[in-house]
Amino acid sequence: DAKTTQPPSMDCAEGRAANLPCNHSTISGNEYVYWYRQIHSQGPQYIIHGLKNNETNEMASLIITEDRKSSTLILPHATLRDTAVYYCIVPPSGGGADGLTFGKGTHLIIQP
Amino acid sequence: DGGITQSPKYLFRKEGQNVTLSCEQNLNHDAMYWYRQDPGQGLRLIYYSQIVNDFQKGDIAEGYSVSREKKESFPLTVTSAQKNPTAFYLCASSIGGTANYGYTFGSGTRLTVV
Repeated sequence: DAKTTQPPSMDCAEGRAANLPCNHSTISGNEYVYWYRQIHSQGPQYIIHGLKNNETNEMASLIITEDRKSSTLILPHATLRDTAVYYCIVPPSGGGADGLTFGKGTHLIIQP
Repeated sequence: DGGITQSPKYLFRKEGQNVTLSCEQNLNHDAMYWYRQDPGQGLRLIYYSQIVNDFQKGDIAEGYSVSREKKESFPLTVTSAQKNPTAFYLCASSIGGTANYGYTFGSGTRLTVV
């Protein structure tokens, strides 16, 4: 998988937007950016993915820079239940059929 | 509801015993995966299977074995050859192939070897 770099931890106040950055400077033209999150002692949960356009779903928005070397996951109105480890993953152009690589991610802590 | 079921949630075994962790999915997914997670660490790939009756070693396959006799099932056996088996084990599935729309994970099995 293309290497990704994320900050190890971030804090955000409840009700504010949480913006989680990810650098993926070695991404190639047809590789997608995926985001997952893992709440303590549970399996990771898929959030969103994108190629070059910004994406939005009921959980979050994904902003990918024009050069595709970085992206930002946005949780628009963070709640305490959003406290989790967030993983940014760029699988190889096979789509990750031979396994995705989950690094240490960003531990997001939502403060009341 | 479709999903992945891992059982049991907690498992205790004595050192030197083999133990099998169950993973069942009803999502009609072709690909299935086993990961291991240690405290404060990311996930490491143990084995994966892209199709029935076929599977491949991941990054840390030593001391583990799997089978894929049915599309729905991908059990993992932790053998006595695994030097440090205590960990959180996660099973996942995906549509597979190049059209990967993301992985669905089970809720995990926490194995403790005493």
